[in-house]
Amino acid sequence: DADVTQTPRNRITKTGKRIMLECSQTKGHDRMYWYRQDPGLGLRLIYYSFDVKDINKGEISDGYSVSRQAQAKFSLSLESAIPNQTALYFCATSDVDRGLRDTQYFGPGTRLTVL
Amino acid sequence: DQQVKQNSPSLSVQEGRISILNCDYTNSMFDYFLWYKKYPAEGPTFLISISSIKDKNEDGRFTVFLNKSAKHLSLHIVPSQPGDSAVYFCAASARTSGSRLTFGEGTQLTVNP
Repeated sequence: DADVTQTPRNRITKTGKRIMLECSQTKGHDRMYWYRQDPGLGLRLIYYSFDVKDINKGEISDGYSVSRQAQAKFSLSLESAIPNQTALYFCATSDVDRGLRDTQYFGPGTRLTVL
Repeated sequence: DQQVKQNSPSLSVQEGRISILNCDYTNSMFDYFLWYKKYPAEGPTFLISISSIKDKNEDGRFTVFLNKSAKHLSLHIVPSQPGDSAVYFCAASARTSGSRLTFGEGTQLTVNP
């Protein structure tokens, strides 16, 4: 079973719609992240959370919001989707106390298309 | 500004030969560097890392070299295999920024049989 899961894996929506992407992890990690990948731009950080009560903006947070419902769950919302939010979205986790420093573990991604 | 840059969008090599993927960075606070590999329809997976106190780290066929004075690192894959064909991302972090990673744009490696 995958340690980091994302739902849905693919989603097509229309401009102006609200959409939520969900991430769950069974790794027991405290830290969770949301990235988007665009061709030629690599992975860019949207939001991150170091524990349930901690939420931080990344480099491209405008137009997005997040919710950390539990240690294992971190959701990304687009309140009013626009076409330039069409991208591949990844959730990731990390654990500062165990394993390799700063190593993040990624989910399989959600391909979002906004028409 | 792009603090981590991978200037080659793509690289093609023959099976059995060496693949060299390059990465440059501008932020002198970066002190830890990672390489990730990504196959289509999958998330990136960790490959190898290096701390700024070292200039080389090796793991099987994969070696990462760090040149701090040039702010440059490279990933060597020897020998290259067709299964190595993937997008490779370079990433960097600084102790002062927690565990946040800054990624490069990625390089598509194709290993031809």
